[in-house]
Amino acid sequence: KNEVEQSPQNLTAQEGEFITINCSYSVGISALHWLQQHPGGGIVSLFMLSSGKKKHGRLIATINIQEKHSSLHITASHPRDSAVYICAAKRDGNKLVFGAGTILRVKS
Amino acid sequence: NAGVMQNPRHLVRRRGQEARLRCSPMKGHSHVYWYRQLPEEGLKFMVYLQKENIIDESGMPKERFSAEFPKEGPSILRIQQVVRGDSAAYFCASSPTRDGRAFFGQGTRLTVV
Repeated sequence: KNEVEQSPQNLTAQEGEFITINCSYSVGISALHWLQQHPGGGIVSLFMLSSGKKKHGRLIATINIQEKHSSLHITASHPRDSAVYICAAKRDGNKLVFGAGTILRVKS
Repeated sequence: NAGVMQNPRHLVRRRGQEARLRCSPMKGHSHVYWYRQLPEEGLKFMVYLQKENIIDESGMPKERFSAEFPKEGPSILRIQQVVRGDSAAYFCASSPTRDGRAFFGQGTRLTVV
């Protein structure tokens, strides 16, 4: 079993839909990253959080430390949100342990 | 305020050649991390460096791979005698402190032919 599990692996949504991507981890962490990667592109750090909830524009990230679970929500999804979303457990410093990623496609 | 800069963005090497990948961290960041993304696989930690020191290289292959972060200049990931299995995207990230938020570069896509 991987230390960081994401679901779903693939997600197709219609423009405007509310999207949720889940991440569960089995290791002790100091924080959790949510990252975005476009095909052939670089990696953008969306959030780093260690408790509660963070919001940036249409993106919301939550984490429950006791349940070892985090979610990334996208409200009013748009085709430009199509990308791979990766959660990464932050352990010793930034020795990150990554999930396999969720491939999101938003259709117009 | 430039982000993490990696170059080259794309690198093609023949089997047996050397590959040098460079990473300039964000201004004020002295902690650098290298990660590798093999085709159809997730990202994996390789090495963590702080100026002039290797802090953790537990993810580095034992042979042919080395990394440095000199007092002046960018961090370098060096792969000697490349093989086809080294073809991957190599990402660098930097942070201002050991536990600070990491910011990633655009990556270097290495193709070994």
